[in-house]
Amino acid sequence: GAGVSQSPRYKVAKRGQDVALRCDPISGHVSLFWYQQALGQGPEFLTYFQNEAQLDKSGLPSDRFFAERPEGSVSTLKIQRTQQEDSAVYLCASSPPRGSGGAIDIQYFGAGTRLSVL
Amino acid sequence: QKEVEQNSGPLSVPEGAIASLNCTYSDRGSQSFFWYRQYSGKSPELIMSIYSNGDKEDGRFTAQLNKASQYVSLLIRDSQPSDSATYLCAVFGGTSYGKLTFGQGTILTVHP
Repeated sequence: GAGVSQSPRYKVAKRGQDVALRCDPISGHVSLFWYQQALGQGPEFLTYFQNEAQLDKSGLPSDRFFAERPEGSVSTLKIQRTQQEDSAVYLCASSPPRGSGGAIDIQYFGAGTRLSVL
Repeated sequence: QKEVEQNSGPLSVPEGAIASLNCTYSDRGSQSFFWYRQYSGKSPELIMSIYSNGDKEDGRFTAQLNKASQYVSLLIRDSQPSDSATYLCAVFGGTSYGKLTFGQGTILTVHP
């Protein structure tokens, strides 16, 4: 079946512009995660949804970052008034529900969106 | 102290050799441990998971976990040039429940 799909793959924004990044998880996966990966570093957690509920947003670096998953499937990460330090790859991951043979801790990643803020 | 630390790289090994990648973590409540492989410009790909002390083997890969020492390792036997990638150690559980905490990654190069 299809994996985690992210769009766009690449986004160039001018400083101060708002951007929206989309994630379409694997069908049937209830848990969805966003990570930020700076060049040469491991991914860093941003936020986590179970269905439509945002259970943890402790990793969002500022109030310019906002994520939603209104119907419990597709999620959007929005960054307002982008800054140069927001330049990174934004990874989305999803996990199957417990009791289906999968575990919440097994996360499958999308290809990411590379954001460059000029 | 970083929550998850990996041995500094880059690591270079000849084809056919054993590559050894190490990782330590600080949260004793951590429950699940993973190794992801990431090729340049690509997404992380899960290659091994381990949950209990000891060794777990899958083909040319062996993961080792020692919870008392808070140490996880990955051995790659008969290394191939196609194994050249960044290897990420990730930890789940404890205070990090609901998210993976990653190390900074170790770049592995296997030269013919």
